[in-house]
Amino acid sequence: ETGVTQSPTHLIKTRGQQVTLRCSSQSGHNTVSWYQQALGQGPQFIFQYYREEENGRGNFPPRFSGLQFPNYSSELNVNALELDDSALYLCASSLRLAEYNEQFFGPGTRLTVL
Amino acid sequence: AQTVTQSQPEMSVQEAETVTLSCTYDTSESDYYLFWYKQPPSRQMILVIRQEAYKQQNATENRFSVNFQKAAKSFSLKISDSQLGDAAMYFCAYTGGVASFNNNAGNMLTFGGGTRLMVKP
Repeated sequence: ETGVTQSPTHLIKTRGQQVTLRCSSQSGHNTVSWYQQALGQGPQFIFQYYREEENGRGNFPPRFSGLQFPNYSSELNVNALELDDSALYLCASSLRLAEYNEQFFGPGTRLTVL
Repeated sequence: AQTVTQSQPEMSVQEAETVTLSCTYDTSESDYYLFWYKQPPSRQMILVIRQEAYKQQNATENRFSVNFQKAAKSFSLKISDSQLGDAAMYFCAYTGGVASFNNNAGNMLTFGGGTRLMVKP
């Protein structure tokens, strides 16, 4: 069973640029969630994708957008980067069932905005 | 909106001893799930233990157990026989139950700010 993977591991961008982060979900999972974890804080929910559609969104502006592909992998895109976007971005996959489903986290992408 | 609060930024425990990490939460839902996640330095976040709100019995997983007080909205984690490998950030997290899930909120996790646990040899 392959776990959740994310790429790249680290990324450095400058303010105003755009960035794309990638996530491959665990085998058999159909749902991907993205979280932002600022240094020294708990993760904050960005959004979730199920069947290639956004299914729930946290308090993040529209410049944070995403995609989910037919193989359930996902991308997080951030436009017009700001200094405060510097954080660890976590992807979590799960198998959507009738009720609760455990989320499995990837190792994260560390984004630094200069 | 739900909130999760961890009032202990750091905790320290001697190897082989017991430590309790605190968590309180606020919600208007009656059906929900609570979790403790462990995030070791530079490693992936993993689930330690889960508690369903409708279950009165406290969850246990080997050396890890919880004290779930639903009326007080309190959810503490007890680690017994602490080991060096237990050193990590611990996050308390919440997700809604069926009603929240069906309202297209998915099963988003709301995390607390974390507690850094240090284990002394």
